[in-house]
Amino acid sequence: DAGVTQSPTHLIKTRGQQVTLRCSPKSGHDTVSWYQQALGQGPQFIFQYYEEEERQRGNFPDRFSGHQFPNYSSELNVNALLLGDSALYLCASSPRQGREETQYFGPGTRLLVL
Amino acid sequence: GNSVTQMEGPVTLSEEAFLTINCTYTATGYPSLFWYVQYPGEGLQLLLKATKADDKGSNKGFEATYRKETTSFHLEKGSVQVSDSAVYFCALSGTGGSYIPTFGRGTSLIVHP
Repeated sequence: DAGVTQSPTHLIKTRGQQVTLRCSPKSGHDTVSWYQQALGQGPQFIFQYYEEEERQRGNFPDRFSGHQFPNYSSELNVNALLLGDSALYLCASSPRQGREETQYFGPGTRLLVL
Repeated sequence: GNSVTQMEGPVTLSEEAFLTINCTYTATGYPSLFWYVQYPGEGLQLLLKATKADDKGSNKGFEATYRKETTSFHLEKGSVQVSDSAVYFCALSGTGGSYIPTFGRGTSLIVHP
């Protein structure tokens, strides 16, 4: 049973560029959440998707947007990249349309903005 | 709002030593409490959880007890191994109708042979 997968594993961009990160949830899960983990910090919640809609959002600007596809996979898009967007981006999945407390995390995508 | 405070790391121990990592929380209502572990180069994995006061979560020799009176959920292990070296995150969720976890900053554990 494949767990949560993310691509790419690493990415280097320059300020002002745009980036798209991808996530496939664990089999049987319908809910995907995205987190930003800065170096030495805990994960910060960006947003959550189920039924192809954004359901909850953390304190992140509109430069951060997402999408969920009918097969439950998801993308995170970040526009107009800033140096401060450099972080590990984690995707987590869960079942039951966000009503499950335990999150299952992928290995993350490490983004470096130069 | 909700918050989680963990002891600062790194915590450096010799193999077979006793481990305690302190975690306290602030929350409205009655949250569920979690410990997640992050090994180098990997995402977070659930280590254990407790959903109500006085519950004890346990897994792989690690334990934590939900103490409502002291708003704490300290992680303990009687005898650590080198393979336990990782970053440990305390988290809470389940307040205000939301299941989105709030994480602490993490505590790095380094175990020497």
